[in-house]
Amino acid sequence: GAGVSQSPSNKVTEKGKDVELRCDPISGHTALYWYRQSLGQGLEFLIYFQGNSAPDKSGLPSDRFSAERTGGSVSTLTIQRTQQEDSAVYLCASSLGVFTEAFFGQGTRLTVV
Amino acid sequence: GEDVEQSLFLSVREGDSSVINCTYTDSSSTYLYWYKQEPGAGLQLLTYIFSNMDMKQDQRLTVLLNKKDKHLSLRIADTQTGDSAIYFCAESGANNLFFGTGTRLTVIP
Repeated sequence: GAGVSQSPSNKVTEKGKDVELRCDPISGHTALYWYRQSLGQGLEFLIYFQGNSAPDKSGLPSDRFSAERTGGSVSTLTIQRTQQEDSAVYLCASSLGVFTEAFFGQGTRLTVV
Repeated sequence: GEDVEQSLFLSVREGDSSVINCTYTDSSSTYLYWYKQEPGAGLQLLTYIFSNMDMKQDQRLTVLLNKKDKHLSLRIADTQTGDSAIYFCAESGANNLFFGTGTRLTVIP
């Protein structure tokens, strides 16, 4: 595709349910990032994948959050037992490398009710 | 971890200059970036500066870097209503890309 694609664009879920958010990066981009954007909180780093290296998971807020990247391409962010404070826009970005421009998807707006 | 800080809000009148400031902590940053997020849209790269430069100018945009003080600024000349957006400062760390909290720029007609 032409850009970074995220799905779904909106997700409403009940507290306690698990959700999966998907990111399709730009073909050939080896770096993939997940960020969370909460109202008034700015852009919070969650996890970073670079090629075949072990991901940098240092930003994941709790063990309810996990992410994987299959075949060096598509990534899935999973939130287990969702809580209301997980409500936010989850942004995915990809780049050719850490020092090159990061291209962002439109984000998934997650609402936990 | 790296810390990138920005003020949250800035209001300017149309036609005036806007200056958005950012401080960062990672002295090993190689590139520093400014991203723009328009309402309801994703982030887009606006401009960037390599860490061995002091200044970069691109049309109405001027980026100033004070590496000693770890201070980055973005100046927008002749600010227009279309410049209203959230502006994020970002630094490339050793193996990651860290963003500030974003500055919401409001341009008053």
